[in-house]
Amino acid sequence: GAGVSQSPRYKVAKRGQDVALRCDPISGHVSLFWYQQALGQGPEFLTYFQNEAQLDKSGLPSDRFFAERPEGSVSTLKIQRTQQEDSAVYLCASSLETQGTQYFGPGTRLTVL
Amino acid sequence: SQKIEQNSEALNIQEGKTATLTCNYTNYSPAYLQWYRQDPGRGPVFLLLIRENEKEKRKERLKVTFDTTLKQSLFHITASQPADSATYLCAPLEYGNKLVFGAGTILRVKS
Repeated sequence: GAGVSQSPRYKVAKRGQDVALRCDPISGHVSLFWYQQALGQGPEFLTYFQNEAQLDKSGLPSDRFFAERPEGSVSTLKIQRTQQEDSAVYLCASSLETQGTQYFGPGTRLTVL
Repeated sequence: SQKIEQNSEALNIQEGKTATLTCNYTNYSPAYLQWYRQDPGRGPVFLLLIRENEKEKRKERLKVTFDTTLKQSLFHITASQPADSATYLCAPLEYGNKLVFGAGTILRVKS
């Protein structure tokens, strides 16, 4: 595809539900990033993959957050037992090289009621 | 602790004028600094990167300066147009590729 795609674009969950957010990076891009963006704030780093290896997960806010990229392309961010404070836009970005320009998807807006 | 500050108030300017956005950082020694544009409902889009040994970088109507002594970057849009209205984010980077963003400045260009 032409760019990074994310699905769903909008997700409403009841508190306590599990959610799974999908990211399709640009074909051939080695690096993949997840960010969380609260309203009125800049994106905050969550985790980073190089191919299928998760090299940095220092930004994941709790052990309820889990990300995977099993075949080095599509990635899934899973949030278990969602809480209201998890409400945010979750952005995915990919880059061709380790320190290359990051291309962002449109994000998934998660609302936890 | 590390801190990135951008103009907290929205910047409203008239079409044709130059918009200047500020990014100040503390407790950082970035090797380079990136500027992104973000429109509502969309992800950030990369605009420009400036390295610590560069004083100024230009791209079409955009100009970025980087003063490592003042710990400040300025982002200028000359001959601004209503289509330039968006949120602009700065992201200084010390090492690696983990971007750390400021909160962004909303720019509104009125015709």
